[in-house]
Amino acid sequence: RKEVEQDPGPFNVPEGATVAFNCTYSNSASQSFFWYRQDCRKEPKLLMSVYSSGNEDGRFTAQLNRASQYISLLIRDSKLSDSATYLCVVLSSNDYKLSFGAGTTVTVRA
Amino acid sequence: GAGVSQSPSNKVTEKGKDVELRCDPISGHTALYWYRQRLGQGLEFLIYFQGNSAPDKSGLPSDRFSAERTGESVSTLTIQRTQQEDSAVYLCASSRTVQETQYFGPGTRLLVL
Repeated sequence: RKEVEQDPGPFNVPEGATVAFNCTYSNSASQSFFWYRQDCRKEPKLLMSVYSSGNEDGRFTAQLNRASQYISLLIRDSKLSDSATYLCVVLSSNDYKLSFGAGTTVTVRA
Repeated sequence: GAGVSQSPSNKVTEKGKDVELRCDPISGHTALYWYRQRLGQGLEFLIYFQGNSAPDKSGLPSDRFSAERTGESVSTLTIQRTQQEDSAVYLCASSRTVQETQYFGPGTRLLVL
C-alpha cells in the first residue's frame, strides 16, 4: 500500500465552480501535512500547509482528519490558473521523510 | 532571496556514461533532499542530507547512484553507468530544518539515449 494515496482525477470543472478532493495517508506517525501545486513540466511549489484545525487561504481550504487519516483540499470560485496537479504531501515524525501522493489533476475550463 | 538552483537544467547523455547533477540550496537551509520524477508520475524520494550527513539513503535505486554534500551547502547527485530507465527529472529541495517546508529547485531533466 502506498503511503499517500490520491484520486488522480482529472477533475474537469468550469470557471467559478467549487472542486474538492482528498488524500489518505497510511502512517499514523505523520506529523505535518502540505498541499503542493505542480504545473506541467515545472517543479512543485508549496500551496499551503494543513493544520489540525483546518485552514483557509483565499479560495483554498484545507482540512485534516487525523482519526480517518485523510486530508482534503477545496478550491472555491475556480480560476483558469488553478489548472494544475495538486500533490498531497505528508511528513513522517519517524524519519522526517516527505511522502508525496501521485497528484490530483484539476483542469478548469472557460 | 535566491531560491534553490540546479544545474544543468537539461542533460542528454549516452547509456553507460556518468553524470553529475548539482543543487545549490537556499542559504542557511540545513536540510537538502533529492527526488526523481519520471514522466507523468509522482515524486520518488532518493536521499536527504541533514547538514553534510545523509541519515536516509533508502531511496537510492541502485549502487550506481550516490550523493554528497559539502559545507552544508552544495550537493551533487552522481549517476554512474547511466541506463535509459534513469531518464527523469531530478528535483532538489531544501528546508531550514528537516521539519519545515521544503522548497524545490527547477529540476534537471536527464535523458539517457
